[in-house]
Amino acid sequence: KQEVTQIPAALSVPEGENLVLNCSFTDSAIYNLQWFRQDPGKGLTSLLLIQSSQREQTSGRLNASLDKSSGRSTLYIAASQPGDSATYLCATYNTDKLIFGTGTRLQVFP
Amino acid sequence: DAGVIQSPRHEVTEMGQEVTLRCKPISGHNSLFWYRQTMMRGLELLIYFNNNVPIDDSGMPEDRFSAKMPNASFSTLKIQPSEPRDSAVYFCASSLARDYTFGSGTRLTVV
Repeated sequence: KQEVTQIPAALSVPEGENLVLNCSFTDSAIYNLQWFRQDPGKGLTSLLLIQSSQREQTSGRLNASLDKSSGRSTLYIAASQPGDSATYLCATYNTDKLIFGTGTRLQVFP
Repeated sequence: DAGVIQSPRHEVTEMGQEVTLRCKPISGHNSLFWYRQTMMRGLELLIYFNNNVPIDDSGMPEDRFSAKMPNASFSTLKIQPSEPRDSAVYFCASSLARDYTFGSGTRLTVV
């Protein structure tokens, strides 16, 4: 059974810092890995989707990497801004369903 | 496309009442998923459909929960009778080629 873990559970940083969010998973037989953002009281917004054959994906200030062999993914946020404050969730697609981690709650203060 | 549309956004009901949550997936997506999110358990997959057919309902907590997808553009999640421990945010998501899009969720409160 796939287990997805995210560390840290919470992170508070000053504006402008570069930061890394970590995601680890126990079963490396994944089709893809997806990073989502969730604002308080809102739904999930897809940030980046990495196919199993890919090593990384980039979108603006966000870069996500995937290392299937070690069961790890990282989300790198460059030059963080207060608007980046949210909960970040990673999820792996195994066989036919998406399994979520517990999330990292990020706060970026001015 | 308007994205995945869920209704209602908020639902407050009394214990024992029937609750029906609704979802309209993105046109052309062939898979639909129902998730429940709580502080204690995070996001849990309840059930999913592929081409309108239920594939895996092992996440449905009890027989009080049922889900249907009568056609490619509509799905319902029903709880009967509802209990206070069912209070959570229920998300619907649809996907094509394993790229998910989530709705805004229904916040259910059972008092």
